[in-house]
Amino acid sequence: ETGVTQTPRHLVMGMTNKKSLKCEQHLGHNAMYWYKQSAKKPLELMFVYSLEERVENNSVPSRFSPECPNSSHLFLHLHTLQPEDSALYLCASSQDRRGGTYEQYFGPGTRLTVT
Amino acid sequence: AQKVTQAQTEISVVEKEDVTLDCVYETRDTTYYLFWYKQPPSGELVFLIRRNSFDEQNEISGRYSWNFQKSTSSFNFTITASQVVDSAVYFCALSDSNYQLIWGAGTKLIIKP
Repeated sequence: ETGVTQTPRHLVMGMTNKKSLKCEQHLGHNAMYWYKQSAKKPLELMFVYSLEERVENNSVPSRFSPECPNSSHLFLHLHTLQPEDSALYLCASSQDRRGGTYEQYFGPGTRLTVT
Repeated sequence: AQKVTQAQTEISVVEKEDVTLDCVYETRDTTYYLFWYKQPPSGELVFLIRRNSFDEQNEISGRYSWNFQKSTSSFNFTITASQVVDSAVYFCALSDSNYQLIWGAGTKLIIKP
């Protein structure tokens, strides 16, 4: 595997379900990110991890819970989601958390549908 | 406030035409970085270019070129002799002083055969 991988690619879940999104980067980077991409809206940064420590949390509802067990893996745990949470969830990594000076590399995303 | 504007929501051209995607940014920082990313239908954003605020040289990479003008706060992207494979959504982004990326809304580019 190379680059940034995400699983699953598609997920349909009910509002009472609990599921997790997984991201893995094979680039030796130290920072990882979760973004939400909704139709007709700019990308929304959700969380930033640097060396496994959460350094940014952009007012994301608590029904989204990130986890970074090591610098190569990032999870997004989902529970009691709302239909408006349906979106494409993108994971990215960069050399370090200064994502503005280092380019970010993205995974293919997980298309989430909440029913 | 930091802001990135991509005024063109959608552009449609015929293959082999040249096309320019506009990006206008706002920032009070003197040091900043600008980026372009491509998002094909598969969904994965692909990094195209990074430019820092002190380097106003235009960049050319094959059929792609970028025109950075601080005087007009613009960082435009031109595709020469467009191809169907260039069809995608293109995003311009600006780094802020907290090193977060401020994203434009994207321009959907459709290249017709």
